[in-house]
Amino acid sequence: QVQLQESGPGLVKPSETLSLTCIVSGYSISSGYYWGWIRQPPGKGLEWIGSFSHSGNTYYSPSLRSRVTISVDTSKNQFSLKLSSVTAADTAVYYCARADLSGSLSYYAYYMDVWGKGTTVTVSS
Amino acid sequence: SYELTQPPSVSVSPGQTASITCSGDKLGDKYACWYQQKPGLSPVLVIYKDTKRPSGIPERFSGSNSGNTATLTIGGTQAIDEADYYCQAWDSSTVVFGGGTKLTVL
Repeated sequence: QVQLQESGPGLVKPSETLSLTCIVSGYSISSGYYWGWIRQPPGKGLEWIGSFSHSGNTYYSPSLRSRVTISVDTSKNQFSLKLSSVTAADTAVYYCARADLSGSLSYYAYYMDVWGKGTTVTVSS
Repeated sequence: SYELTQPPSVSVSPGQTASITCSGDKLGDKYACWYQQKPGLSPVLVIYKDTKRPSGIPERFSGSNSGNTATLTIGGTQAIDEADYYCQAWDSSTVVFGGGTKLTVL
């Protein structure tokens, strides 16, 4: 059974860098699928942050691309999120998830079938 | 950038059919999926590739996608189906979510 668990500081100061880790159990990241981050501000909808594949493809949200880095540590079977220059608008529940991306030409399906429980990050001084 | 539009809320009586729409330019030319999210919990995938149900999702959940609209249909809606529902698609190498629909069963 595949499980994902987010971890990291619950409080980050404005202008600093938010750092989170997603530990994956029950499946080797290097074996396949896409792996990514999604966030949800309080009382609001879901926002995709970015994803990467086991083969090295990485995609980021255009609105966050300049501040986001997603990296992977296959030896620990975990991946990480760094979001720089945070403000109060970055306060949210952050989820990691496994995804499948398949298709051809312009007809692709991307869906997230396993999610972590989420971790709350508050940006405040 | 690509946008997906959902109604903020939908109400349904127990046992009736609930339909939640998701609109986007030529959405029928893309694959859509749907997530259910209950308060305080992580989203759960209920429909992928327009019409497919993951293992463990009840048969009362079904999906369709044509033209500019994808639809999530819940037949014989139960109280436990009350939740927020989000549609999602892949466009120009990015994931796009709809704004979400709160389904109320009353």
